Amino acid sequence: GDQVEQSPSALSLHEGTGSALRCNFTTTMRAVQWFQQNSRGSLINLFYLASGTKENGRLKSTFNSKESYSTLHIRDAQLEDSGTYFCAVDTNAYKVIFGKGTHLHVLP
Amino acid sequence: GALVYQYPRRTICKSGTSMRMECQAVGFQATSVAWYRQSPQKTFELIALSTVNSAIKYEQNFTQEKFPISHPNLSFSSMTVLNAYLEDRGLYLCGAGTPNTGQLYFGEGSKLTVL
Repeated sequence: GDQVEQSPSALSLHEGTGSALRCNFTTTMRAVQWFQQNSRGSLINLFYLASGTKENGRLKSTFNSKESYSTLHIRDAQLEDSGTYFCAVDTNAYKVIFGKGTHLHVLP
Repeated sequence: GALVYQYPRRTICKSGTSMRMECQAVGFQATSVAWYRQSPQKTFELIALSTVNSAIKYEQNFTQEKFPISHPNLSFSSMTVLNAYLEDRGLYLCGAGTPNTGQLYFGEGSKLTVL
């Protein structure tokens, strides 16, 4: 099976609401990164975590190495948050594996 | 801060021609550079990992003959897609890393369209 699994594969949110995206991994990992790929296809770096929790505006990410998962929380969703969210796992030095992404659609 | 720039951001090439893309690291020493491809509607596949003063390691299904990579110094890398065909279209992503943190810093990608 896949070493990095993301759920859900697709998600619709109304503006102002929130949700959590999940990234499960089956391989030993040192850190996780989260990205947003916007409608133009550009990849935007959101977080890099080797442990704990990080927060930036309406986004928060947690990393649980014991249970092998990471989450990305979005609150007060805005239209510009639409896009595909990828988690990428650092398995060892510079070997990064991407998940298949969660397609987020924010509705007015 | 650490930044990675990729050029060109978008390119269109005719089937059978080649396309070169560049990756520039700013604010840190890029001892390792990883190149990825995102085919349409798919995730990012690792093409190869290049470490300065070491051999370039290509993943299964990707070869040096098709995707030659240059990594001449600690701030620059380039990769060429030779004889591009329809299946080569997609977003090519460069990630550069330094041993100080172990983190790969990613550019925004170079989008290749093949006609």
